[in-house]
Amino acid sequence: DVKVTQSSRYLVKRTGEKVFLECVQDMDHENMFWYRQDPGLGLRLIYFSYDVKMKEKGDIPEGYSVSREKKERFSLILESASTNQTSMYLCASSGPGPYEQYFGPGTRLTVT
Amino acid sequence: QKEVEQDPGPLSVPEGAIVSLNCTYSNSAFQYFMWYRQYSRKGPELLMYTYSSGNKEDGRFTAQVDKSSKYISLFIRDSQPSDSATYLCAMLTDSWGKFQFGAGTQVVVTP
Repeated sequence: DVKVTQSSRYLVKRTGEKVFLECVQDMDHENMFWYRQDPGLGLRLIYFSYDVKMKEKGDIPEGYSVSREKKERFSLILESASTNQTSMYLCASSGPGPYEQYFGPGTRLTVT
Repeated sequence: QKEVEQDPGPLSVPEGAIVSLNCTYSNSAFQYFMWYRQYSRKGPELLMYTYSSGNKEDGRFTAQVDKSSKYISLFIRDSQPSDSATYLCAMLTDSWGKFQFGAGTQVVVTP
């Protein structure tokens, strides 16, 4: 079974804090993704990585950065958290075609 | 206009009814089409995927793709309360494995 784990299920941070969200997958997948999910907006891609140290911006990268030092680990960084970054954050990984994505349980982040 | 449109619901049906879900899309380059199920406070899990136009069946689930109309559907037969979840359609947009997701339809199956 593919397993994607995320470091926290729930997180509460203050405005201006630096926030790290960690994601680890155990299936040796090349591709990893970070999404945020908001009611009515569905899943929106923040960043993705198709190889170690390779990263590409998704649809909404502003205010976020990522790090992928090892194949199994993909981190999302909020440099200076803001209240509009309160959301559910989902990490996913995928292998070769048909590229089905396997998701972690999500981190519900609240920024106050 | 969004590339993938999906009615958010909620869609409420009695147990045993057929659930019909659909998505429309605008980009004819989309390739693989997938359906995910997401229970409350969980990550999405893959239900089914299809590549070509036509039907694909897996137990109580049938996925249908009509590329000429840019329309995909998911049918759930003999629905159960355990099918209550949000269902998201997703479409492969490029060879790097990026997907465009619908907003999701919330389904409630009442006993």
